[in-house]
Amino acid sequence: DSGVTQTPKHLITATGQRVTLRCSPRSGDLSVYWYQQSLDQGLQFLIQYYNGEERAKGNILERFSAQQFPDLHSELNLSSLELGDSALYFCASSVMSSGNTIYFGEGSWLTVV
Amino acid sequence: KNEVEQSPQNLTAQEGEFITINCSYSVGISALHWLQQHPGGGIVSLFMLSSGKKKHGRLIATINIQEKHSSLHITASHPRDSAVYICAVVNTDKLIFGTGTRLQVFP
Repeated sequence: DSGVTQTPKHLITATGQRVTLRCSPRSGDLSVYWYQQSLDQGLQFLIQYYNGEERAKGNILERFSAQQFPDLHSELNLSSLELGDSALYFCASSVMSSGNTIYFGEGSWLTVV
Repeated sequence: KNEVEQSPQNLTAQEGEFITINCSYSVGISALHWLQQHPGGGIVSLFMLSSGKKKHGRLIATINIQEKHSSLHITASHPRDSAVYICAVVNTDKLIFGTGTRLQVFP
């Protein structure tokens, strides 16, 4: 158990819909990361938050947004969903940065139909 | 060309064999991670290193910053080592992932 909790574990939704993925980081970790893993593109970094502030941005679509709340949990919002958004979405956390050990949640499987 | 290349893409071994997985990168990095992803999808961090060598049990990771290359070695491989091994480099605080090496160890 990494200590990182993600919900929901599985989600099936229709095209055009909006979903929210939630993540609770490991106790004491200030950084939260979101990654997307799809069959055709592998693992891709989406976005990082540190202590409530956005720190780094990767290949995140404009239809996607994220935030980190004062209690350090984070949410990833995916809107106007397309079939190609079907993927495994991972949340991870670390003490400060990507230069520290990163702990991954079990992922949220999103299927868009 | 990918910024992080791993080889081989697929690897089959007999139990007990010594295994090496290679990772080469073309960008500047501050650290490199080796990750393990099991068939169920979960990802576990094996090593984070910025220089030299680290050892944990039967696993050894090395990095050569000048040559932009890292290796993950598994000694006395076991069927439970079967997984996808992913190299990821830290570039401006972002992780850039390799495509992974799928390892199958047969008894």
